Amino acid sequence: DAKTTQPPSMDCAEGRAANLPCNHSTISGNEYVYWYRQIHSQGPQYIIHGLKNNETNEMASLIITEDRKSSTLILPHATLRDTAVYYCIVRVAGVFMNRDDKIIFGKGTRLHILP
Amino acid sequence: EAQVTQNPRYLITVTGKKLTVTCSQNMNHEYMSWYRQDPGLGLRQIYYSMNVEVTDKGDVPEGYKVSRKEKRNFPLILESPSPNQTSLYFCASRNDRAGDTQYFGPGTRLTVL
Repeated sequence: DAKTTQPPSMDCAEGRAANLPCNHSTISGNEYVYWYRQIHSQGPQYIIHGLKNNETNEMASLIITEDRKSSTLILPHATLRDTAVYYCIVRVAGVFMNRDDKIIFGKGTRLHILP
Repeated sequence: EAQVTQNPRYLITVTGKKLTVTCSQNMNHEYMSWYRQDPGLGLRQIYYSMNVEVTDKGDVPEGYKVSRKEKRNFPLILESPSPNQTSLYFCASRNDRAGDTQYFGPGTRLTVL
């Protein structure tokens, strides 16, 4: 079962920042927060991940609360091409990684970018 | 360009006709995996491979075979496809360095009549 809770859908105006929340209240100390997105029927695309510090890359920023029970993915200037389902995943990494390393996607958040 | 490729991207076939879906990655990744995605069921892992000649069953291996003779290729084989294997299939790969991200292929949409 997915260990995260996300809103089923969100709207965001084109050009504005899209803030996608995720709750992961049962996260363990050795689990990272990962974000992927899936544009209709394409392969899931990695966006960003973090352990406890905030992270930023060319695609997005990830803000993790101090207690690590929730996080927010920020797309700073959303475009129509950002319309997708966004998945928040907690995943063991490092020496505690499971052998199968299967990624369990929950239902995600369907983000609609409005022109 | 670093990528995972799958072929074919779309396939319609009939029950019982053996088929192979190829997966290839150019990142020298050791770990590779196959998933299927079905509405309401999310992504489910079929098989995975930690390295050449090392493969293991995932959650839904029945009706599938895999092989890992070379590091870059991880084909998915359906010896006798059935309609319940109609699905969207994804291959993924990852370096074996701890914490590395999994990268997914573009997907293969399979219909078995």
